[in-house]
Amino acid sequence: DAMVIQNPRYQVTQFGKPVTLSCSQTLNHNVMYWYQQKSSQAPKLLFHYYDKDFNNEADTPDNFQSRRPNTSFCFLDIRSPGLGDAAMYLCATSRVQALRGEQYFGPGTRLTVT
Amino acid sequence: DQQVKQNSPSLSVQEGRISILNCDYTNSMFDYFLWYKKYPAEGPTFLISISSIKDKNEDGRFTVFLNKSAKHLSLHIVPSQPGDSAVYFCAAARNYGGSQGNLIFGKGTKLSVKP
Repeated sequence: DAMVIQNPRYQVTQFGKPVTLSCSQTLNHNVMYWYQQKSSQAPKLLFHYYDKDFNNEADTPDNFQSRRPNTSFCFLDIRSPGLGDAAMYLCATSRVQALRGEQYFGPGTRLTVT
Repeated sequence: DQQVKQNSPSLSVQEGRISILNCDYTNSMFDYFLWYKKYPAEGPTFLISISSIKDKNEDGRFTVFLNKSAKHLSLHIVPSQPGDSAVYFCAAARNYGGSQGNLIFGKGTKLSVKP
């Protein structure tokens, strides 16, 4: 089945130790998104790629960066994780030509910072 | 400041009855609205959407109503089933001259349907 896959599902890192979360998709979608969702909060868009074009949200901290080496993969790098970065990180994809707004989400990676 | 608000964190309904989930928004530039459903340990999945040119969209047991003057939308599930128990997120998008704007999500409402 075509899908959005996130690895790992659970990640524990130490305060200040760089961590990378990965997302892959078999849907061949143009657009890939990274969201941060803290407990009982709304998912918040960090950035998205439209093909190779990177789009950063204005309030996304510099501590968060992303790479998209090809259509299928997208990575979220947190350079120096703080305790406040503990959250669920959701990857999503969409086709530009699709029903407006419809995105396909992965199961998420829950990040714990110790 | 939250642009999309779901003021009820949880809702409990008896199987077979109607579930009504509510969502309010503040930005009058939003012109497309979506509902996503999320089961534990899974990502959100798209459920139903509505454009601002409509006031109702129906898909099987699910109907979304939009009241633009009140900046309010609601999702009706009739009849409710235990498998509908999940967290429901309301989301809104803005049309930037024809290109897709990013989604703004609410905090979600946890629906429990009791057998």
